[in-house]
Amino acid sequence: AQKVTQAQTEISVVEKEDVTLDCVYETRDTTYYLFWYKQPPSGELVFLIRRNSFDEQNEISGRYSWNFQKSTSSFNFTITASQVVDSAVYFCALSPPPEEGGYNKLIFGAGTRLAVHP
Amino acid sequence: NAGVTQTPKFQVLKTGQSMTLQCAQDMNHEYMSWYRQDPGMGLRLIHYSVGAGITDQGEVPNGYNVSRSTTEDFPLRLLSAAPSQTSVYFCASSYSVKAYTEAFFGQGTRLTVV
Repeated sequence: AQKVTQAQTEISVVEKEDVTLDCVYETRDTTYYLFWYKQPPSGELVFLIRRNSFDEQNEISGRYSWNFQKSTSSFNFTITASQVVDSAVYFCALSPPPEEGGYNKLIFGAGTRLAVHP
Repeated sequence: NAGVTQTPKFQVLKTGQSMTLQCAQDMNHEYMSWYRQDPGMGLRLIHYSVGAGITDQGEVPNGYNVSRSTTEDFPLRLLSAAPSQTSVYFCASSYSVKAYTEAFFGQGTRLTVV
């Protein structure tokens, strides 16, 4: 069975602190995709990153970075020097390979609510 | 380019009423799907479609019907609303080819069943 676990329900930090959001996944597929989405208070889902199972390179985009480790089935997300605008719910998601539905069948974690205080 | 458009944004229903949540995309995506979001549970897949005329059930399909008569539209029908269907509903679309990066989501429909 496929599953995504985000063990941190809520995190509260003060502005400029670094924060890491954890994501652990389970799948038997050898090909799969991992995603992070942001849901600000306005409610929409904002795509942040996709990573495929064959690419374990870490990625950095401005203050955001992602650490993908197949050995521990983890895809963690770090925000450096957090800002109030980072306050949101963050979802980690897993999709099966294209022949099994791909992005049409995302499995989401329960989400982590991040509150960044001034 | 509108992307994925959901209507309505908000809806209040009485138990037993029926309604259709509309979803339309203008990106010529083959794949479309419906999710519901409940507190503490993330998003869960209700139904999905791989193309016009083809639909299938997701994780939580009971109480919902779908059809896909065109590539653009994927309506979600509640035949007899129940309070347990109070949720935020998201429609998503994507290409079927893995080279493309993401699934695109609509703005969501907040449904309350009283």
